[in-house]
Amino acid sequence: DGGITQSPKYLFRKEGQNVTLSCEQNLNHDAMYWYRQDPGQGLRLIYYSQIVNDFQKGDIAEGYSVSREKKESFPLTVTSAQKNPTAFYLCASSTGLLSTGELFFGEGSRLTVL
Amino acid sequence: AQSVSQHNHHVILSEAASLELGCNYSYGGTVNLFWYVQYPGQHLQLLLKYFSGDPLVKGIKGFEAEFIKSKFSFNLRKPSVQWSDTAEYFCAVNEGSGGYQKVTFGIGTKLQVIP
Repeated sequence: DGGITQSPKYLFRKEGQNVTLSCEQNLNHDAMYWYRQDPGQGLRLIYYSQIVNDFQKGDIAEGYSVSREKKESFPLTVTSAQKNPTAFYLCASSTGLLSTGELFFGEGSRLTVL
Repeated sequence: AQSVSQHNHHVILSEAASLELGCNYSYGGTVNLFWYVQYPGQHLQLLLKYFSGDPLVKGIKGFEAEFIKSKFSFNLRKPSVQWSDTAEYFCAVNEGSGGYQKVTFGIGTKLQVIP
């Protein structure tokens, strides 16, 4: 089945440690996105990538980093510089530059920093 | 910057009651409008979308939404809700056409339907 796979689903880390969340898609979509979902704040865009080897900061990129070495993969690293990393992280994809914006989402990764 | 406002953050309804969830956006140009739904334990999925044409859009599971350009609104409606509609609903706006299109989400409305 085509879709977006995020891993791990749940992750616990100590403060000060970097964490990488995986996102893989087999939809052949050009564009991929990372959102952060917090209660009462909706979804906020962290980073997005329209094509391989290119990505841009979203609204809340500080403390995060990404890479896009392959079309299928868009991993997110939550660095120790992120002041409040405990959250639910959602990866999404869309068809690309001429897309009308419909997003396809993964099931999310819940990160808890102890 | 684009913003999306959802007026009701938590709604509780009895089964068979009618539903209307408000959504307003700030961008004055060309927009594409969406409602996404997140059922408990499931991933976000598209409920319905408006790109152009008939401003009354029908989606899955009996939901519909009306785009009123003069009011910058895209309210979601369902005449008779079911217990299975219990979920969180997000309004989203995608501004512009061509190139990268930034999608901005509202904060979401949690709907609880009581049997």
